[in-house]
Amino acid sequence: NAGVMQNPRHLVRRRGQEARLRCSPMKGHSHVYWYRQLPEEGLKFMVYLQKENIIDESGMPKERFSAEFPKEGPSILRIQQVVRGDSAAYFCASSPNYVFSTDTQYFGPGTRLTVL
Amino acid sequence: AQTVTQSQPEMSVQEAETVTLSCTYDTSENNYYLFWYKQPPSRQMILVIRQEAYKQQNATENRFSVNFQKAAKSFSLKISDSQLGDTAMYFCAFRPGANTGNQFYFGTGTSLTVIP
Repeated sequence: NAGVMQNPRHLVRRRGQEARLRCSPMKGHSHVYWYRQLPEEGLKFMVYLQKENIIDESGMPKERFSAEFPKEGPSILRIQQVVRGDSAAYFCASSPNYVFSTDTQYFGPGTRLTVL
Repeated sequence: AQTVTQSQPEMSVQEAETVTLSCTYDTSENNYYLFWYKQPPSRQMILVIRQEAYKQQNATENRFSVNFQKAAKSFSLKISDSQLGDTAMYFCAFRPGANTGNQFYFGTGTSLTVIP
C-alpha cells in the first residue's frame, strides 16, 4: 500500500509566479490535510479537505492561497504570486474514511518550495 | 487554544543509551490524542507513537515508550537502546477529540543526535 505521495519534491519559483503542489492520499483515505513548515519551526496547519469539500481552512492565508480536492485526482495546494516568505516545506497528510478514524494522520515526504 | 511546547531544542545521547524528550501541552479538552513524529534528514514525517488521553496505560512501541501524565499535561518520549538511525528531529503533536476539529498542533521540535 503506497503511502501519501507528494510532487514535486522540490519546486523553485521566482517572485510573482504560481506554485502548484500535489498530494495523493493513501489508498482508502479521503481526508487530506496541508501543513506548512517554516525553517526551524514545527508544522502549522493550513487546510483540511474531503473529496470536493473544504472542511476547515482556518490556517490558510486569505489571499493568494487556495486548495482543492476534486472527486478524481490529487489534492492541489495553489499559491499565486509567490513571495520569498512562502519559501517553506509543505506537507500533506491523509487519514482513513471510517468513523472516528481521523485521529491519526499519515504524512507525505513534503514539497520544498524555494522562491527566488 | 491548544498549544504544544517542547523545551529542548537539541539533545544528544550515546549509542545504546536511553534518552527522554519532553513535551507539555495546554488544552481545556478532556478527550484528545497525542503523538510523537520523527523527521529524519530526508524530512519525511514518520509516526513514532500515539496515545489516547482516555487510556491510562502508557503507549509502547518497541524501543519507544511514553510517560503520559494527564493532570500535568505532560507527554514525554523515552527512547531506549538508542541507535544511529534515531538521529532526527522529533515533534510532539496534539489532536483534539472528535467533533472539535481535525487539525494537529505541533511543537517546535527537538533535534536528537545519537553519538557513536
